[in-house]
Amino acid sequence: GAVVSQHPSRVICKSGTSVKIECRSLDFQATTMFWYRQFPKQSLMLMATSNEGSKATYEQGVEKDKFLINHASLTLSTLTVTSAHPEDSSFYICSARDLSANSPLHFGNGTRLTVT
Amino acid sequence: KQEVTQIPAALSVPEGENLVLNCSFTDSAIYNLQWFRQDPGKGLTSLLLIQSSQREQTSGRLNASLDKSSGRSTLYIAASQPGDSATYLCAVIGGSNYKLTFGKGTLLTVNP
Repeated sequence: GAVVSQHPSRVICKSGTSVKIECRSLDFQATTMFWYRQFPKQSLMLMATSNEGSKATYEQGVEKDKFLINHASLTLSTLTVTSAHPEDSSFYICSARDLSANSPLHFGNGTRLTVT
Repeated sequence: KQEVTQIPAALSVPEGENLVLNCSFTDSAIYNLQWFRQDPGKGLTSLLLIQSSQREQTSGRLNASLDKSSGRSTLYIAASQPGDSATYLCAVIGGSNYKLTFGKGTLLTVNP
């Protein structure tokens, strides 16, 4: 079945540094990838929709200059958390869909970010 | 704006019981509905996808139903096992941008 690879699975960084998270679709082409954030005991919240070759669409309240998204190819999207703060510590998950809207959404295994 | 509600928020059952998890959504104009499983600290595993034109889907001990007109879906788990313990999330996809909206999940604990 379709697989989405997300890397790294865990990262610890110091305040003020930037962290890049990669999301790859391994056996299908994903024109659209989604980035979610999950706080403990809460549901996944959509942060942004990443479209290959164009600018990402951010949800209300998500700072686009802080969470930089690049979707340079049909198989790779990256999320960069810039100038990280402790409140950015969270679980980030990406998902991707192949070209049909009625196909399942496939998820990466998530990245646990801890900012100290 | 689409809102997805899952009831109950938590459920604890003894092993072997059949159980039902509920999901409701406010906007019936959906493309499909998907049930996921999430283990602590892990990503999501897709369990079942129901197209908007379908009424139910089955996979092993799992059966998901969809009543689009009333904005409801149920996930039925037969003969529950301790390994079924996880958070179960319901999500609907709809609108022109295929945005996925999640419920907050049901935390299921199956006791041996």
